[in-house]
Order: sequence, then C-alpha cells, then structure tokens
Amino acid sequence: DAGVTQSPTHLIKTRGQQVTLRCSPISGHKSVSWYQQVLGQGPQFIFQYYEKEERGRGNFPDRFSARQFPNYSSELNVNALLLGDSALYLCASSLGGTGLGTEAFFGQGTRLTVV
Amino acid sequence: AQKITQTQPGMFVQEKEAVTLDCTYDTSDPSYGLFWYKQPSSGEMIFLIYQGSYDQQNATEGRYSLNFQKARKSANLVISASQLGDSAMYFCLVLTIRSGAGSYQLTFGKGTKLSVIP
Repeated sequence: DAGVTQSPTHLIKTRGQQVTLRCSPISGHKSVSWYQQVLGQGPQFIFQYYEKEERGRGNFPDRFSARQFPNYSSELNVNALLLGDSALYLCASSLGGTGLGTEAFFGQGTRLTVV
Repeated sequence: AQKITQTQPGMFVQEKEAVTLDCTYDTSDPSYGLFWYKQPSSGEMIFLIYQGSYDQQNATEGRYSLNFQKARKSANLVISASQLGDSAMYFCLVLTIRSGAGSYQLTFGKGTKLSVIP
C-alpha cells in the first residue's frame, strides 16, 4: 500500500514566481494537511482539508492557498514567492479529525528553494 | 496564543540508556492535546505518542512514555532503552479545538535533536 506521496521532491524557483506542490494521500484517507518547515525550526501548520472543504488554517498570508480534489489529493499554491518561503513543505493524510495522531501519516516533503 | 518550549536543542544518550526530552507548553484553553513526533533525516514526521489534557494517566506507547504534569504545563517524553535508530529530531506540539467553529490551533516546538551513541 503506497504511503503519502508528494511531488516534486525538490524545486527551485525565483522570487516573484508562483509554485504548486502536490500531495496524494493514502488510499481511503479523506483529510490532507499542509505544513511549512523552515530549516532549523519546527513545522508550522498551513492548512487542513477534509472532504474537499477547508477545516483548519494557520497564520499564513493570502499568497498561500490550497484545494482538495474529488480523489482527495491536494495542491498547495504559493504566489509571489519570497526568499523566506524557502522551506520543506510537508503533507499529511489521515482518515479525518484534525489530521494528527495514530492515523495520520506524513510524506517526505517537497524542498522548495527560492532564489 | 499557544506556545511550546523545547529547551534542549540537542541531546546525547548512550545506547540502551533512557533519555528524557523536555517540553513545556502554554495555552489558555482547558481542553487540548499534546503530541510528540519524530523526524528522521529523511524528513517525514512519525507519530510517537498522544496525551489529552483530561487524561488521568500518563500515556505510554512501547518504549515511549509521556510524563504529563498538568499543573506545571509540562509534557516530557521519556524514551527507554535507546536504540541507534532513535537518532532524530523530536517535536512536541499542542492542539486546541475551537468547538462550534470547527477550527483548531496547532503549534509545534522548535525540536530537540537526539543523538544515540553506540
């Protein structure tokens, strides 16, 4: 059974550009959460989606947006990239709830570098 | 606002020994959940243990136990019989759910890097 898959694994973008990160949850999982982890820091919660609806949102600017598709996969979009957006972006999938705990599984992340 | 403090940026432990990773939290919500996650160098986050604020007993999961002291707002992780594979970053986090609104707040600590020495 495939785990949580994120694509791409690495990405380099220029300031001002836009980026789309993708996440495929574990089969049967209906919730996807996104986190940003800047080097040397703990992850920060960005969004959670459940059944295609936004269920949670962290303290991020409107440049960050996300959506969930009918097959429960998800995209995270970041517009007008800044150098400070350089980070590891983690996706987690779960059956539901808050997207944490024993039933939540994380992908290995997308490493975004903004130059 | 919520806050998580992990005061140990790095820790060393001898293989087969026990180690305690510190975590203190600050939240005004009476109902909350505390989690510990492990992050190996490969990047994925691995769930270790959960403690609810109203749980009377300390949580245990195999070699992991959580020393929950509610009055002190402390949720230290204890790993018994350390193994080389335990070398990783360890994060403490607190989750509060806003009833009715269907929203929640989630805060991670900055992490502790544990190195297990053979």
